[in-house]
Amino acid sequence: EAQVTQNPRYLITVTGKKLTVTCSQNMNHEYMSWYRQDPGLGLRQIYYSMNVEVTDKGDVPEGYKVSRKEKRNFPLILESPSPNQTSLYFCASSLSGRSGLRYSTDTQYFGPGTRLTVL
Amino acid sequence: GQSLEQPSEVTAVEGAIVQINCTYQTSGFYGLSWYQQHDGGAPTFLSYNALDGLEETGRFSSFLSRSDSYGYLLLQELQMKDSASYFCAVRDTGRRALTFGSGTRLQVQP
Repeated sequence: EAQVTQNPRYLITVTGKKLTVTCSQNMNHEYMSWYRQDPGLGLRQIYYSMNVEVTDKGDVPEGYKVSRKEKRNFPLILESPSPNQTSLYFCASSLSGRSGLRYSTDTQYFGPGTRLTVL
Repeated sequence: GQSLEQPSEVTAVEGAIVQINCTYQTSGFYGLSWYQQHDGGAPTFLSYNALDGLEETGRFSSFLSRSDSYGYLLLQELQMKDSASYFCAVRDTGRRALTFGSGTRLQVQP
């Protein structure tokens, strides 16, 4: 089954304790991205990756790190979590090509989400 | 920068038709997408418009007017399972990222 998986699904942690949220996709997608979702703010992009070893900042990258050592995996790292990083996090993936007016990244496939609480 | 505006909440009854509007301001426009998200679930892709006009996919249709920087999602023959949040999104060509609106919560009542 084609899917994007995230782990853990739920996490409660304390300020300053490093954590990693994993994301994996089995669709051979080049493009992967992390979003956070907060009430009233929709989804905001944290980081994205166009392919292996190619990553860049999104709209809200402060306090986060990512790496893309393999095509299928795109972990999100919080080196020193703070309470303002309490949020619902989604990983997404897509192909990165283009067909006419349509970019493949217009259709992104989302993981099930990780609800993070930082105390 | 890019910004999108959509109503925060819409209520309709089962079997009815509902329209969810989205207006956008972008530095460069390359298409409007719509995603559905049920409570506790992940966003899922519904439709995409790059050109003016109506795109139909079953009970759902999406419309775009680039001259008005406006689009809408039309849901027909509403079912209880359509109760969800609906997000419009535009793409930033540099980052290939999607910038999402804050979402419209649709409540379908019996």
